[in-house]
Amino acid sequence: EIQLVESGGGLVRPGGSLRISCAISGFVVSDYYMSWVRQAPGKGLEWVSVIYTGGGTNYADSVRGRFTVSRDISKNTLYLQMDNPRPEDTAVYFCARSQGGGSMGDWGLGALVTVSS
Amino acid sequence: EIVMTQSPATLSVSPGEKAILSCRASQSVLTNLAWYQQKPGQSPRLLISRASTRAAGIPARFSGSGSETEFTLTISSLQSEDVAVYYCQQYHNRWTFGPGTKVELK
Repeated sequence: EIQLVESGGGLVRPGGSLRISCAISGFVVSDYYMSWVRQAPGKGLEWVSVIYTGGGTNYADSVRGRFTVSRDISKNTLYLQMDNPRPEDTAVYFCARSQGGGSMGDWGLGALVTVSS
Repeated sequence: EIVMTQSPATLSVSPGEKAILSCRASQSVLTNLAWYQQKPGQSPRLLISRASTRAAGIPARFSGSGSETEFTLTISSLQSEDVAVYYCQQYHNRWTFGPGTKVELK
């Protein structure tokens, strides 16, 4: 059974740091494109970042230079390091698996990150 | 960045009637287009990939069509459990989502 379980969300001060995790079971994290997608309260979905099968990464312009996506194959876990977060980064962060190079067929339940002083 | 737009913002449909949702891309995405359903408090659920391919377990009343810049999601006979927000997403150049269409019962 495929499962993606986010953890590590919470309250973080503007300018601080927070790392959220996505524990994966049922497949190997490095065999698929893995993305982070966020949803601000009452708003729509926004793609945040991706790590490709080869280890390359890409980011939305809104987080480039502040957020870093990574994975630990030994732990079969995906991470999002959030440095210098801003209040507008407040959102539920979902991890998602891409199939066929694009569409996201499997999602976690999400982790709420609140950026506030 | 490819910008996605969706119309209408809200769609009210009687049970058993057809719902037609539209999605437009600011430039061609070929058929690299997916549709998702999201119910309150839940994660998004993939309905359609490659513009017209239903995901596993998705009822046949959901169908997708279109290519390049114009796409449509059709729910042939709306059921109460279909009340949700529907998002289109392009994955031709990175990923971007549309703002969503909220489907409600009339």
